[in-house]
Amino acid sequence: GQNIDQPTEMTATEGAIVQINCTYQTSGFNGLFWYQQHAGEAPTFLSYNVLDGLEEKGRFSSFLSRSKGYSYLLLKELQMKDSASYLCAVLDSNYQLIWGAGTKLIIKP
Amino acid sequence: DAGITQSPRYKITETGRQVTLMCHQTWSHSYMFWYRQDLGHGLRLIYYSAAADITDKGEVPDGYVVSRSKTENFPLTLESATRSQTSVYFCASSDRARVETDTQYFGPGTRLTVL
Repeated sequence: GQNIDQPTEMTATEGAIVQINCTYQTSGFNGLFWYQQHAGEAPTFLSYNVLDGLEEKGRFSSFLSRSKGYSYLLLKELQMKDSASYLCAVLDSNYQLIWGAGTKLIIKP
Repeated sequence: DAGITQSPRYKITETGRQVTLMCHQTWSHSYMFWYRQDLGHGLRLIYYSAAADITDKGEVPDGYVVSRSKTENFPLTLESATRSQTSVYFCASSDRARVETDTQYFGPGTRLTVL
């Protein structure tokens, strides 16, 4: 079966750095996405990785290792507005998105 | 305004009733999707559509019906609602101009409660 694992919840301090991990086992791989979802709102696109390595976009970076079936989302200089759920999703061999359950990130002052 | 909208935003219904959730997008995206989101689960795909008059089942299609007569609309119908269909429903669209970088854009969601 297809499976994506993320921690259920993480807590971090304003101004700090946090890394949210995602491991996956899917039938094929055509890219990995990270989405942000604030409570009561829709998911919004953050990043996309298809090749190994680090993609940096402002305070957010996403890393991929295809051989390890592993990705992480790195958030720097945390702000209170970063409190949200972060969803990892993999595009499988049929180009269907398989979603993880999401990681709820709590930022404390 | 351009974008993707859903209606109603909130709906309470009773077991056995038929319910239709509406989704409308103004981008002329070819692909549209219906997901449900429940605590402890990721987004689960119910149905998707590659173009008008083309629909296909996702991971959890039982109890749901879709149609797509126009590119911009993709209604989801629960033919006979059950309590297990209480959930938040999201509609999404993508243009899949390059499927490898497919980004889905989500509507605001419909919170459905079945009593």
